[in-house]
Amino acid sequence: TQLLEQSPQFLSIQEGENLTVYCNSSSVFSSLQWYRQEPGEGPVLLVTVVTGGEVKKLKRLTFQFGDARKDSSLHITAAQPGDTGLYLCAGAIGATNKLIFGTGTLLAVQP
Amino acid sequence: NAGVTQTPKFRVLKTGQSMTLLCAQDMNHEYMYWYRQDPGMGLRLIHYSVGEGTTAKGEVPDGYNVSRLKKQNFLLGLESAAPSQTSVYFCASSRGSGIFNYGYTFGSGTRLTVV
Repeated sequence: TQLLEQSPQFLSIQEGENLTVYCNSSSVFSSLQWYRQEPGEGPVLLVTVVTGGEVKKLKRLTFQFGDARKDSSLHITAAQPGDTGLYLCAGAIGATNKLIFGTGTLLAVQP
Repeated sequence: NAGVTQTPKFRVLKTGQSMTLLCAQDMNHEYMYWYRQDPGMGLRLIHYSVGEGTTAKGEVPDGYNVSRLKKQNFLLGLESAAPSQTSVYFCASSRGSGIFNYGYTFGSGTRLTVV
């Protein structure tokens, strides 16, 4: 069974703080994605990374794919209450279309 | 610009009843999926389809059946509902695979309670 472990599971911070969420596996991924899910809604794709060592920035969010393509991180700078939600990483192995999802990091940003 | 539409949004079933969850996508995606999301368990794949007329089992297929008669629709059936099937069900679609897997588009979910 392939596992994607996310840490931390829960994070409660004040507005303006920085944070990093980690996604780790023993498997090599051909691509890795991050999603954010708000209560009562489906996950929404934030980014896809495919190259080892790749770094992508989306406003205050920075995503990094590990050199060995087994891990990834999401860094949020100056968090805002609107960043509150469940963050999920998901990886594709080989040429498959299927994704393996991590169990998620629940982030709460207090005003 | 609908994306992925799921119906119904909420449903309560009695044990042993049957129902069908409907999923429709308007993005001409080849691949479609049904997941269930439970607290502490994350998203688990029930069944998926790689094209019209094809279906395959995922991680937790028991108790469910699916059909994809048209490319844009993917139906999930529960023949005899059990309390263990109480969950939030998500449909998703995508195009591409491997390094060309550009991500899934999810519906807003169906919250099912089996009593």
